[in-house]
Amino acid sequence: SAVISQKPSRDICQRGTSLTIQCQVDSQVTMMFWYRQQPGQSLTLIATANQGSEATYESGFVIDKFPISRPNLTFSTLTVSNMSPEDSSIYLCSVTQGAFEAFFGQGTRLTVV
Amino acid sequence: AQTVTQSQPEMSVQEAETVTLSCTYDTSESDYYLFWYKQPPSRQMILVIRQEAYKQQNATENRFSVNFQKAAKSFSLKISDSQLGDAAMYFCAYEGNNQGGKLIFGQGTELSVKP
Repeated sequence: SAVISQKPSRDICQRGTSLTIQCQVDSQVTMMFWYRQQPGQSLTLIATANQGSEATYESGFVIDKFPISRPNLTFSTLTVSNMSPEDSSIYLCSVTQGAFEAFFGQGTRLTVV
Repeated sequence: AQTVTQSQPEMSVQEAETVTLSCTYDTSESDYYLFWYKQPPSRQMILVIRQEAYKQQNATENRFSVNFQKAAKSFSLKISDSQLGDAAMYFCAYEGNNQGGKLIFGQGTELSVKP
């Protein structure tokens, strides 16, 4: 199983600023996924991050707002840019190994004030 | 597009009793995977059970089992001998055969366990 370390675990940010979330995996993986979980809601996929190529964004999410880096096979970052209170959510990274089992980081709880 | 629906926002069960959480999905694919994830207050997503669509036999993991009805596109989770530690948010999730790990989640069911 993959072990995922996600930082920070929580943060409170001022509107208009940006926050970068880091996701470190203890093994090499091809694809990493970033999800958003708004308060009391389900998980929604933001984008898929492949090493060596641009991230692929889901409908409703754009690169200018959520730029993603994937410099190697064990690490990725998600930046939430020009934040507003509507961006207050839990952000989770995920990887898949083996028989289609997804592993998740512990999530980053972001509050924008 | 695929969708996953959980029609029970909240469920409650007495400790040691059995509870069933419902999930339906919509897809035009024939090969796919279905999952139940548990999310306790710690926020950590924990895989509870997995079902491959090509398998007719229902998956079982200790106290957890599923009732997979492919024709009806139904995937319910049964928790037997419920324990206090089972209290959490439960999410049903779908993954297409060539999606490489992209999951589509249902809305979630908040399960409470009464002592």
